[in-house]
Amino acid sequence: QSVLTQPASVSGSLGQSITISCIGISSDVGSYNVVSWYQQHPGKAPKLMIYEGSKRPSGVSNRFSGSKSGNTASLTISGLQAEDEADYYCCSYAGSSINVVFGGGTKLTVL
Amino acid sequence: EVQLVESGGGLVQPGRSLRLSCAASGFTFDDYAMHWVRQAPGKGLEWVSGIIWNSGRIGYADSVKGRFTISRDNAKNSLYLQMNNLRGEDTALYFCARDSGWSDWYFIDYWGQGTLVTVSS
Repeated sequence: QSVLTQPASVSGSLGQSITISCIGISSDVGSYNVVSWYQQHPGKAPKLMIYEGSKRPSGVSNRFSGSKSGNTASLTISGLQAEDEADYYCCSYAGSSINVVFGGGTKLTVL
Repeated sequence: EVQLVESGGGLVQPGRSLRLSCAASGFTFDDYAMHWVRQAPGKGLEWVSGIIWNSGRIGYADSVKGRFTISRDNAKNSLYLQMNNLRGEDTALYFCARDSGWSDWYFIDYWGQGTLVTVSS
């Protein structure tokens, strides 16, 4: 089962911007425009933050944005706030044989 | 309001079986594909299985293929996961999740709070 590659951790200061990368392969991230991003606080269920690569669900702050280039998707959080400190996961559809894959997760620390 | 409530988790010995349930409410259940996603203690998310609206397409992760069976009962607004021949590495919090689509996998838009499965002797 393929796994999308994310950095284990990133950090940024209050008010700054950070970007989390999600590296896939041509048969997942590269082939499908259905990359999604989830935020998970400790002990909580994941929350959808970005879908179809760059779209935000209703209620998600416009400080969160997503993009994709080739086999790499990215999540950018601008104007970091303390409540952004959480784990972030990317996810992609990966074809009918593998189905759905998640990244390993990135722990965001807000300094 | 979309609600997904999992049940059926617990402590089970290796090799035994367990059946998880997910009660859905707040939306038209048979308009959506559904998934099970798990998270081992201190680890990341792992997709386990998915099922489209009419059970016409089902998928499994390689790690559970042949041991787990996903099913749904649209009349009861419920999703199930039958887990057989459980192993220690199946120990995890199991989330029920709704897909945004109905006939294929697109993206998960809602999650339950999870039910904990512990496999240990």
